[in-house]
Amino acid sequence: QSALTQPRSVSGSPGQSVTFSCTGTSSDIGYYDYVSWYRRHPGQAPHLMIFDVNQRPSGVPDRFSGSKSGNTASLTISGLQADDEAEYYCCSYAGGSWVFGTGTKVTVL
Amino acid sequence: QLQLQESGSGLVKPSQTLSLTCAVSGDSISSGGYSWSWIRQTPGKGLEWIGDISHTGDTYYNSSLESRVTISIDRSENHFSLRLSSMTAADTAVYYCASLFLRRYFDYWGQGTLVTVSS
Repeated sequence: QSALTQPRSVSGSPGQSVTFSCTGTSSDIGYYDYVSWYRRHPGQAPHLMIFDVNQRPSGVPDRFSGSKSGNTASLTISGLQADDEAEYYCCSYAGGSWVFGTGTKVTVL
Repeated sequence: QLQLQESGSGLVKPSQTLSLTCAVSGDSISSGGYSWSWIRQTPGKGLEWIGDISHTGDTYYNSSLESRVTISIDRSENHFSLRLSSMTAADTAVYYCASLFLRRYFDYWGQGTLVTVSS
């Protein structure tokens, strides 16, 4: 399976919103609603931020939201904060296997 | 909540076999609803799912690694393990273990362990 495609980096000022995409195929994102997003700060383990396309685990602020259209999923971070600076990875079920995105570096200016 | 911790060889010679273990605490590894996964990140690349094992022992592997991978579960020790044979430099990566809830998402991750393949 090929990795899902994410922009290499996005940036925004504190308080702004950023949205970035995760593009797959009709065999993964386009077919299944098992899209999840993970945040990883340097040297730390990935942390689940969104599951099932748009569901937030308990403890994740509602500033984080997910969506999907066709073969592309998106993550929006509203009210950007310094702690949001990290790498973000999307992930999709692909029928018996899992495929991750290439990762997006979010920089808070 | 679950806690996962990887352990094992950090340096592996080319052609040898990698062995890693993931200790699970906070719940029984036999709890229904969970599968147990291995994921890696090679230098400069994104995350790659290696495979997982269900609480009943069913295994699922990445097709690109399937011929070299074995994931097993030890219920008495509450841990699960990864073996990856015929290691090459391309297998140098940070290896993570993670819990896979209802085969929908990875909700808890270990801190990761760096594995270097070098003679």
